[in-house]
Amino acid sequence: AQSVTQLDSQVPVFEEAPVELRCNYSSSVSVYLFWYVQYPNQGLQLLLKYLSGSTLVKGINGFEAEFNKSQTSFHLRKPSVHISDTAEYFCAVNARSGSARQLTFGSGTQLTVLP
Amino acid sequence: KAGVTQTPRYLIKTRGQQVTLSCSPISGHRSVSWYQQTPGQGLQFLFEYFSETQRNKGNFPGRFSGRQFSNSRSEMNVSTLELGDSALYLCASSSRQGDYGYTFGSGTRLTVV
Repeated sequence: AQSVTQLDSQVPVFEEAPVELRCNYSSSVSVYLFWYVQYPNQGLQLLLKYLSGSTLVKGINGFEAEFNKSQTSFHLRKPSVHISDTAEYFCAVNARSGSARQLTFGSGTQLTVLP
Repeated sequence: KAGVTQTPRYLIKTRGQQVTLSCSPISGHRSVSWYQQTPGQGLQFLFEYFSETQRNKGNFPGRFSGRQFSNSRSEMNVSTLELGDSALYLCASSSRQGDYGYTFGSGTRLTVV
């Protein structure tokens, strides 16, 4: 079974400051990892994904994440945030297990960018 | 390219009624998954369909069911609605069972009164 832990439920940060949203996962098989963002009253938008290859993944809106297999982490970072980045962010893992697969989400991190 | 379309956008139902939600995936996507999102439980997997076959099912009671048609459109049905079924129901589609990421619709907000 796979699980995802997002270590911070709320992260307040001032505009133009850097931010890191932490995500740890557990799975006994190789995984694909994703970060999604959700704005109020909307669905989820894919920010970035790790499938294989380079452990540093760049996504949309200036976000990037680093896959660390030894620490089973996939932390999301942005060097300088904007007010418009205020949203809820979800880390997710898709692990292969035979023919059964599903996307398992963390509990989410509410990022609030303060002026 | 049109995104994932979910209808209706909002729905209010009474306890005991049943409801059907619809999802039209991105053209060419054959995998459709459904999720329930609530403040208390977060995002929970309901089921996934691929080429009209249910491939995986989450831990929900039998009142929750779904199906997928030959054009990949999917419906989910909830019978005998309970107050706790109030949630945002999200549909997501993928070309290959989510290996390369899912594209989500805007969701259907179901309120049970």
